[in-house]
Amino acid sequence: DTGVSQDPRHKITKRGQNVTFRCDPISEHNRLYWYRQTLGQGPEFLTYFQNEAQLEKSRLLSDRFSAERPKGSFSTLEIQRTEQGDSAMYLCASSLIRGRKFNEQFFGPGTRLTVL
Amino acid sequence: AQSVSQHNHHVILSEAASLELGCNYSYGGTVNLFWYVQYPGQHLQLLLKYFSGDPLVKGIKGFEAEFIKSKFSFNLRKPSVQWSDTAEYFCAVKTGYNQGGKLIFGQGTELSVKP
Repeated sequence: DTGVSQDPRHKITKRGQNVTFRCDPISEHNRLYWYRQTLGQGPEFLTYFQNEAQLEKSRLLSDRFSAERPKGSFSTLEIQRTEQGDSAMYLCASSLIRGRKFNEQFFGPGTRLTVL
Repeated sequence: AQSVSQHNHHVILSEAASLELGCNYSYGGTVNLFWYVQYPGQHLQLLLKYFSGDPLVKGIKGFEAEFIKSKFSFNLRKPSVQWSDTAEYFCAVKTGYNQGGKLIFGQGTELSVKP
């Protein structure tokens, strides 16, 4: 399967615990995006990377959130001291940017986080 | 502010009925528009996209959408729906190069097709 993969698919944690999610983009895709989707809403942008550089973070991304893409391939999203309001589906998407030309974003299956 | 609004939260149709899902956007730059679909238990998939040119775009599975610049709209249509079209549909606008090319989504429309 050459699509975007995410791990784990489901995560249940207790409030106050730290969690980390992983995203493996499509090989050779240089752009990687993280979105969050809560029930009844569309995905909301969190942050994105161009290769290993994190170029933008949404105001939704509090100080408890950190994302990395150390070698420009896979990415991790960590949430520290989780809160019940963090419960959501976390989506990863990747795309290939050449110059100023964008191609479509391909989405992974998401990681569903439940904070008890 | 950049935003996307989808008028219908839940649409229920019988098979063979025609479908039109509304989408309005607010974005000041060059507009790139998308419709994504999420079937139950599956990830978001691209239905169709508009970048430029012919405002009537055709996508997969018989879907089409029309970009009407004067109305800031990008409505999704299908002449005859099938039970397998039951899914959630999201309209999105892509921000420009200097804004990172991220997608701004509407809140989604859940489509239920009765057999």
